[in-house]
Amino acid sequence: AQKITQTQPGMFVQEKEAVTLDCTYDTSDQSYGLFWYKQPSSGEMIFLIYQGSYDEQNATEGRYSLNFQKARKSANLVISASQLGDSAMYFCAMRGADSNYQLIWGAGTKLIIKP
Amino acid sequence: SQTIHQWPATLVQPVGSPLSLECTVEGTSNPNLYWYRQAAGRGLQLLFYSVGIGQISSEVPQNLSASRPQDRQFILSSKKLLLSDSGFYLCAWGRGTQETQYFGPGTRLLVL
Repeated sequence: AQKITQTQPGMFVQEKEAVTLDCTYDTSDQSYGLFWYKQPSSGEMIFLIYQGSYDEQNATEGRYSLNFQKARKSANLVISASQLGDSAMYFCAMRGADSNYQLIWGAGTKLIIKP
Repeated sequence: SQTIHQWPATLVQPVGSPLSLECTVEGTSNPNLYWYRQAAGRGLQLLFYSVGIGQISSEVPQNLSASRPQDRQFILSSKKLLLSDSGFYLCAWGRGTQETQYFGPGTRLLVL
């Protein structure tokens, strides 16, 4: 069965520091995709970054990068130079090859940036 | 560009009353559509998904139902709400092999 694990229920980080949010996954599929979403207090789920299982380069989107370690089945999100506006819940999700396009979601990590 | 709308934004309903939440997508055609529920402080639970008009797949047996009367319209309904139906309901759309899902603003439902 496919599963996403986020082991950090909450994190406090000083403003301007880099942040790493952990995500490990379990799948027997050879082809899969990994996603990170941000959910601020307003509730809207905002797509941040995507990594395909066959992508050789780690995905990057502005201050967000995905540290993809396939052998370890981990897909950690790195936020560089954190800002107060980064305070939010962060969810890791996975789509498998036979998932009918459904996403498997982690429980989320609550990130609080301290000024 | 594509946009996704949900309404209402907030809803307070008595137990046993009916429910209708609407989701519409603009700027794309034949999207895959999804309804999720999120309990307070929890992750997302997929309720329904649809790959086309009239095609609905249910993930969790419950007193909710979904319909897709038009290509870009997805409706979540209930004939009689339960207290346990309270939560944050998110609609999402996606397409393509990458299948990134893009979410609407959500509806907060409180059943009293």
